[in-house]
Amino acid sequence: GENVEQHPSTLSVQEGDSAVIKCTYSDSASNYFPWYKQELGKRPQLIIDIRSNVGEKKDQRIAVTLNKTAKHFSLHITETQPEDSAVYFCAAKRLTGGGNKLTFGTGTQLKVEL
Amino acid sequence: DTGVSQDPRHKITKRGQNVTFRCDPISEHNRLYWYRQTLGQGPEFLTYFQNEAQLEKSRLLSDRFSAERPKGSFSTLEIQRTEQGDSAMYLCASSLWGNTEAFFGQGTRLTVV
Repeated sequence: GENVEQHPSTLSVQEGDSAVIKCTYSDSASNYFPWYKQELGKRPQLIIDIRSNVGEKKDQRIAVTLNKTAKHFSLHITETQPEDSAVYFCAAKRLTGGGNKLTFGTGTQLKVEL
Repeated sequence: DTGVSQDPRHKITKRGQNVTFRCDPISEHNRLYWYRQTLGQGPEFLTYFQNEAQLEKSRLLSDRFSAERPKGSFSTLEIQRTEQGDSAMYLCASSLWGNTEAFFGQGTRLTVV
């Protein structure tokens, strides 16, 4: 089955700096890669996703890049703000032919310091 | 709130008791998922329904776990003879056919004492 590894487990940045979180996946048939943000005691919420037919996607201060050959994908947050502090999870999924489950990484606790 | 709702939000039970959780997905969504999340970990897949059919179950779902979605709307997850290792957050998610985004509920936090 799919295995997703995520690094780092904790990340502390100064407000205004950039943050990068990296994930690798094992199943070359995975073709959908969402990122979820989970604040303490709250539900995971999708912040951005990418399909394997594109290499990069951007939405305001967040962007995701995908390297299919290396089976890596990364989340980039620019101009970080205190409200970006949360746990971020990457995930991978096959859109067809392999069920519909998301396999999640172990999460990155991001802390944005003033 | 038209999102995914779960009930109860918190449940404390004694070891050996049975518990049942409920999930109400977004109304037009035909896919419903259950995940389990323990502290410091990402959600782990338990099972998945398309309408009322349970199409996939994880090996994590032991014989003590059963899930139903009787009319293709709400779903229940029952744990029989609870063990301390069952303590976790149980998350429900739903998605629309052909739509990739899964929307999560706020979860039911189970504590087995």
